[in-house]
Amino acid sequence: DTAVSQTPKYLVTQMGNDKSIKCEQNLGHDTMYWYKQDSKKFLKIMFSYNNKELIINETVPNRFSPKSPDKAHLNLHINSLELGDSAVYFCASSQGAGRWEKLFFGSGTQLSVL
Amino acid sequence: AQTVTQSQPEMSVQEAETVTLSCTYDTSESDYYLFWYKQPPSRQMILVIRQEAYKQQNATENRFSVNFQKAAKSFSLKISDSQLGDAAMYFCACVGAGSYQLTFGKGTKLSVIP
Repeated sequence: DTAVSQTPKYLVTQMGNDKSIKCEQNLGHDTMYWYKQDSKKFLKIMFSYNNKELIINETVPNRFSPKSPDKAHLNLHINSLELGDSAVYFCASSQGAGRWEKLFFGSGTQLSVL
Repeated sequence: AQTVTQSQPEMSVQEAETVTLSCTYDTSESDYYLFWYKQPPSRQMILVIRQEAYKQQNATENRFSVNFQKAAKSFSLKISDSQLGDAAMYFCACVGAGSYQLTFGKGTKLSVIP
């Protein structure tokens, strides 16, 4: 039983295309995140949703739009993909703030823009 | 907001030996949590160890232990009896107790020499 699952694991696409990455967690957590890991392995937060509300929105191009239909899902849609968007994108979840047992990560989606 | 600094981009250790990975952090929070995550080549993010800042006792998990120096804002990870499976990227991270934003350092790549 995967706690945080994201699909697809690999995504290869052309510049200018629009793509989505889906994420689901079955842990009953109320907070979900998207992190980007660049080619130098640096992990940077992009977005965070708590109870379907956006609470963190770092400096991310508005081509990236997160969507949270419910607490268990946080999808990432990317418009007009650029070469610099190539990275590994991690979804994660936690049980809110103040109870930081750990951040549960999905297995990542490697996005390659050609 | 927090900043996390890992000053060692790469480290190596002989199998069965001990290695220490360095991490310093800065936070304005009075209550916070510190983590070490491991990322093997499989890309999965795995929690190694967690420390609550209000606890003076250093956390330990089997062969993994930390040296938490709160005044110096230092949080180093010691791996004893290193094994080949310990080879991975190691990330130090910090989050305020009331925050939703877990901030990662840039990582240390650990190689284990047989």
